[in-house]
Amino acid sequence: GAVVSQHPSWVICKSGTSVKIECRSLDFQATTMFWYRQFPKQSLMLMATSNEGSKATYEQGVEKDKFLINHASLTLSTLTVTSAHPEDSSFYICSAPGMGTPDTGELFFGEGSRLTVL
Amino acid sequence: AQSVAQPEDQVNVAEGNPLTVKCTYSVSGNPYLFWYVQYPNRGLQFLLKYITGDNLVKGSYGFEAEFNKSQTSFHLKKPSALVSDSALYFCAVGDSGTYKYIFGTGTRLKVLA
Repeated sequence: GAVVSQHPSWVICKSGTSVKIECRSLDFQATTMFWYRQFPKQSLMLMATSNEGSKATYEQGVEKDKFLINHASLTLSTLTVTSAHPEDSSFYICSAPGMGTPDTGELFFGEGSRLTVL
Repeated sequence: AQSVAQPEDQVNVAEGNPLTVKCTYSVSGNPYLFWYVQYPNRGLQFLLKYITGDNLVKGSYGFEAEFNKSQTSFHLKKPSALVSDSALYFCAVGDSGTYKYIFGTGTRLKVLA
């Protein structure tokens, strides 16, 4: 099956610094990827849709200047949390639709990246 | 607007007993329904999906789910629970065109030895 990998799995940074999280589709091409944020004991909140070769589409209420998304190739999307603050601490997850049979509807998820801002 | 509800925050079941994790949905049109499982500090893993066809869907690790259109439900079931099934389970609803799925709040399953 399709594999999506995120890096790093864990990251701790100081307040005010920027952190980059990578999401890679390892064995398939993904023109679209999705970024989510998950708070403890809560569901996934869709932050934005990453589109290869064009600007990301952000969900309402998500600060595009705070969460920069770049989808530079068909296998890589990056999320940069700029000027991070403690309230940005969260579990960030990416996903991509699988290739193959059209309209399978299935998403493949990365392992997630836990960000802690001190 | 689409929505999905998982009415139980937690479900406890003894090992070897059958388990049910509930999910109800609200969509316009025909729903795409999914169940995913999440282990601590990990991403979501696909369990099963319903798009069309038989109402009883069989998935990974012995799980199955029944699509009930009249009750707008898609409950996850397993005949005999294992301790290793303990995890967080998410129901999701959406359409294939956008892949913007709505996830439920999750149900934590604890299987007791």
